[in-house]
Amino acid sequence: DAGITQSPRHKVTETGTPVTLRCHQTENHRYMYWYRQDPGHGLRLIHYSYGVKDTDKGEVSDGYSVSRSKTEDFLLTLESATSSQTSVYFCAISPWSGGASTDTQYFGPGTRLTVL
Amino acid sequence: DQQVKQNSPSLSVQEGRISILNCDYTNSMFDYFLWYKKYPAEGPTFLISISSIKDKNEDGRFTVFLNKSAKHLSLHIVPSQPGDSAVYFCAAGNTNAGKSTFGDGTTLTVKP
Repeated sequence: DAGITQSPRHKVTETGTPVTLRCHQTENHRYMYWYRQDPGHGLRLIHYSYGVKDTDKGEVSDGYSVSRSKTEDFLLTLESATSSQTSVYFCAISPWSGGASTDTQYFGPGTRLTVL
Repeated sequence: DQQVKQNSPSLSVQEGRISILNCDYTNSMFDYFLWYKKYPAEGPTFLISISSIKDKNEDGRFTVFLNKSAKHLSLHIVPSQPGDSAVYFCAAGNTNAGKSTFGDGTTLTVKP
């Protein structure tokens, strides 16, 4: 299994508070991703990173920011959490290198976030 | 506009029979497709993929078929086992993009 961990695994917070989720990998993969999973919506990409300090938006990036200061860590921040951000958040990594390869992704165990 | 669609939210089959999970896509720029499997309280895991230059890829009990003209792919599981009960996600991407678009998933239940 790919070495990928997420912390915390569970968090309950109140509306308006800042929240940071951490994804840590030991595989030295270039690409890292943050998704949210909600009933009826599958996996939706929030942000992704293609290198240290190189990030881009996904399809549901509003209300979220990310940072990647080291290859192994990718942080997802909710500056002011809202109830609509209650979800399960998954981090993923990929050894994708472009060209003819596919971005097979390896997922972390997830973080269940509840915003009251 | 959802680019990857799995129109069946759920599927129930008997153990030993074939399971067929379907996926449709709209973006003609997609040139590879993947299937992931997800158990409750775990992250998704990669199952099988196919490049757009192929129409079939097989790995043990799992076979993925691609029909480019119809923008349709399917995952066949033969024979189905109770341990295959999970949510299956279809995903599609482009070799120049480095990211995939996922469908909403199909929950497969295999009854003993």
